[in-house]
Amino acid sequence: GESVGLHLPTLSVQEGDNSIINCAYSNSASDYFIWYKQESGKGPQFIIDIRSNMDKRQGQRVTVLLNKTVKHLSLQIAATQPGDSAVYFCAEIGGGYNKLIFGAGTRLAVHP
Amino acid sequence: EPEVTQTPSHQVTQMGQEVILRCVPISNHLYFYWYRQILGQKVEFLVSFYNNEISEKSEIFDDQFSVERPDGSNFTLKIRSTKLEDSAMYFCASTSGGVDEQFFGPGTRLTVL
Repeated sequence: GESVGLHLPTLSVQEGDNSIINCAYSNSASDYFIWYKQESGKGPQFIIDIRSNMDKRQGQRVTVLLNKTVKHLSLQIAATQPGDSAVYFCAEIGGGYNKLIFGAGTRLAVHP
Repeated sequence: EPEVTQTPSHQVTQMGQEVILRCVPISNHLYFYWYRQILGQKVEFLVSFYNNEISEKSEIFDDQFSVERPDGSNFTLKIRSTKLEDSAMYFCASTSGGVDEQFFGPGTRLTVL
């Protein structure tokens, strides 16, 4: 069946370092992936997406990498800031009406 | 910037009572969703709604749940007889279509006692 999961439940980094959050997915037919950021008490906030015909996509300070061979997705955050502290979810589009299938989440803690 | 809004922010109810969670999606969006998140767990899909009808629902969305778009702006989730295990954050989301970004509301925290 479909599933999206994360390798690391928590990640602690120093301010200014780069962060890498990983995600594995099992549905090889998935063609669209999204990273969401969730701050405490708030709803998920879109960060960046990638389609299966791409290997890499860059945004402002964030990069998503997709490895379809091993069904692996990662989010790289450059020069991590305290405001990046949150839970990060990968999500996969599944179904004809584009429901999101979320992974378990990784908590990113940024220390000064 | 347009945003999805939800009311109330926190709802406390007794087991067996009915609750209605309200959402105002972004005005030109056509696809609407409800998700829930039990404390400390991942976000789970409940239901999608398009063209005034349910387009897809999960196993969680049993006959105790219903959704409605009573007018051109509101989108509601009703739980007819709440159970303790319904306690969770409920998020509404909307999108203009296709695989466009889904915009999430701030959520309603439902506590069933």
